[in-house]
Amino acid sequence: QQPVQSPQAVILREGEDAVINCSSSKALYSVHWYRQKHGEAPVFLMILLKGGEQKGHEKISASFNEKKQQSSLYLTASQLSYSGTYFCGTEIAGNTGKLIFGQGTTLQVKP
Amino acid sequence: DAGVTQSPTHLIKTRGQHVTLRCSPISGHKSVSWYQQVLGQGPQFIFQYYEKEERGRGNFPDRFSARQFPNYSSELNVNALLLGDSALYLCASSLLYTEAFFGQGTRLTVV
Repeated sequence: QQPVQSPQAVILREGEDAVINCSSSKALYSVHWYRQKHGEAPVFLMILLKGGEQKGHEKISASFNEKKQQSSLYLTASQLSYSGTYFCGTEIAGNTGKLIFGQGTTLQVKP
Repeated sequence: DAGVTQSPTHLIKTRGQHVTLRCSPISGHKSVSWYQQVLGQGPQFIFQYYEKEERGRGNFPDRFSARQFPNYSSELNVNALLLGDSALYLCASSLLYTEAFFGQGTRLTVV
């Protein structure tokens, strides 16, 4: 039931773009994206509800394809501060508050 | 505004002991969820509480229990600690079925 994230790790130079994918074998109600830096709490980035919407937050955006049960996180013109581990949290049924997280994608942005 | 606060931040316990972890949600948030995060993995859902009622339970043994108080703060209790219970325990608060905001976590070490 755990969603699968890909890639597991990625190394970028400042200014480069990255895409992180999250795939589920179950039909999804919503997808939540978080970033966690070492030793810190996960920080909420965005939530996508079924309906195929796309959201953006500065240079970070995401899409949700409910037919494919997939979500993608797009990082544009990456900055050093983008480094960390990115998790997708999936909600299978609506209104449960129960998130099932993927194993994470470690992103390292180098100068 | 204060974010989600958890106490204590670090804890060392001996196998077989009992532990209580505490969480104060963001003001106005009535939903509290608990997650266990083992190093290198994504958070795993333990419980969700809303208005003092348990709304969801993850795949954890009965040694794990929780409750929510009238002021919406919450406690997570773990009995008969095992070495495998060593992890970062995260509390997340939300309005209800919306984005969840995590606290800094309690790092529990069982020796």
